[in-house]
Amino acid sequence: SSELTQDPAVSVALGQTVRITCQGDSLRNYYASWYQQKPGQAPLRVIYGQNNRPSGIPDRFSGFTSGSTASLTITGAQAEDEADYYCNSRDNNGNHVIFGGGTKVTVL
Amino acid sequence: EVQLVESGGGLVQPGGSLRLSCAASGFTFSNYRMHWVRQAPGKGLEWASYINNDGSTTTYADSVRGRFTISRDNAKNTLYLQMNSLRVEDTAFYYCARASGYGDHVLDYWGLGTLVTVSS
Repeated sequence: SSELTQDPAVSVALGQTVRITCQGDSLRNYYASWYQQKPGQAPLRVIYGQNNRPSGIPDRFSGFTSGSTASLTITGAQAEDEADYYCNSRDNNGNHVIFGGGTKVTVL
Repeated sequence: EVQLVESGGGLVQPGGSLRLSCAASGFTFSNYRMHWVRQAPGKGLEWASYINNDGSTTTYADSVRGRFTISRDNAKNTLYLQMNSLRVEDTAFYYCARASGYGDHVLDYWGLGTLVTVSS
């Protein structure tokens, strides 16, 4: 089976830059997507593909993949960016969807 | 506007069954593949099941295979998850999500979820 590994938590000062990583062998074959989830809300897609933002997602969110590591960067973090962030992709066989364990981002 | 609305959650005893529904609107349901994703309270997201456009292909996470069945009724714009032999560890919010045209794992719209509690 495949896994995606994320750091459990990171913190960032207001207006500074934070990078969240997601590691997994399947990322060599499939791009990660990233989802933001605030308490009591459904997940919201913020990045997909090589570095694509859905309509309405601020351009301070960006994505990058190198080898088996995908990253989500928030440049100039705002208070409203405080949330849990999850990466997902497909497993090595391409048959199943997998999620990382999530990273809690705290904006100080 | 794309909307996904789950229903059917509730309290059930271990070993019991529930059927979840997800009513879709605002898009041509039959054109899209769909997923169920669950989240235990205070825990992370866990993919549960997938179904393609016409229902001919389904896949399941190891944790639910053989107990859960995903299906869809394109005429009714509705996705289903039949859950049998429920266990305490199946307690979670269950979300239906639409797979975008970009890729099967890219989930572009999610419902608000329905809570399933398995307890005696």
